[in-house]
Amino acid sequence: GEDVEQSLFLSVREGDSSVINCTYTDSSSTYLYWYKQEPGAGLQLLTYIFSNMDMKQDQRLTVLLNKKDKHLSLRIADTQTGDSAIYFCAERSGGYQKVTFGTGTKLQVIP
Amino acid sequence: GAGVSQSPSNKVTEKGKDVELRCDPISGHTALYWYRQSLGQGLEFLIYFQGNSAPDKSGLPSDRFSAERTGGSVSTLTIQRTQQEDSAVYLCASSQGGTGSFEQYFGPGTRLTVT
Repeated sequence: GEDVEQSLFLSVREGDSSVINCTYTDSSSTYLYWYKQEPGAGLQLLTYIFSNMDMKQDQRLTVLLNKKDKHLSLRIADTQTGDSAIYFCAERSGGYQKVTFGTGTKLQVIP
Repeated sequence: GAGVSQSPSNKVTEKGKDVELRCDPISGHTALYWYRQSLGQGLEFLIYFQGNSAPDKSGLPSDRFSAERTGGSVSTLTIQRTQQEDSAVYLCASSQGGTGSFEQYFGPGTRLTVT
């Protein structure tokens, strides 16, 4: 079945860039997503990328996709304390609406 | 506008009791999902509805878990004879049907504690 993996924890200093990595196994993935979960809240979509793209930029966020290696990354420029949260990578395959989520990476921003 | 709502927000129940968790999706969203998030864990897929039917029930952990959706809208997740390992946050999400990015909109979750 589909599998999505992430490292569990990342700590960065305020103002630095954060890079959160994700690997997935399903070669038929069509959309890949990054969601953010703040403490006590549900998940919120940050951005997504279609599988025929290799990069997408949205303000401080840059998503890179290496489809050959099945590797997805999220770069947050000028990381702020408000970026502290858990970040989930997710993928969807083909026309099927099921989305598989990774375990989440907890980002800690040190002032 | 109205987002996905879930009720109750918190539920404490005794082991062996049945519980019902409710999800109100965004109006017009045909797809509805249930996930479970245990402390410090990622999201565990439970079940997915397209309209009122459930094409994928593969994530339901046991036959104590069931879910239904009526009128293509509200969904209820029922856990019978609750066990302590059922303690978790249960998240509901909805999305539009058809083609596209299928962005999922999440509710705030129901925190279930089984004592």
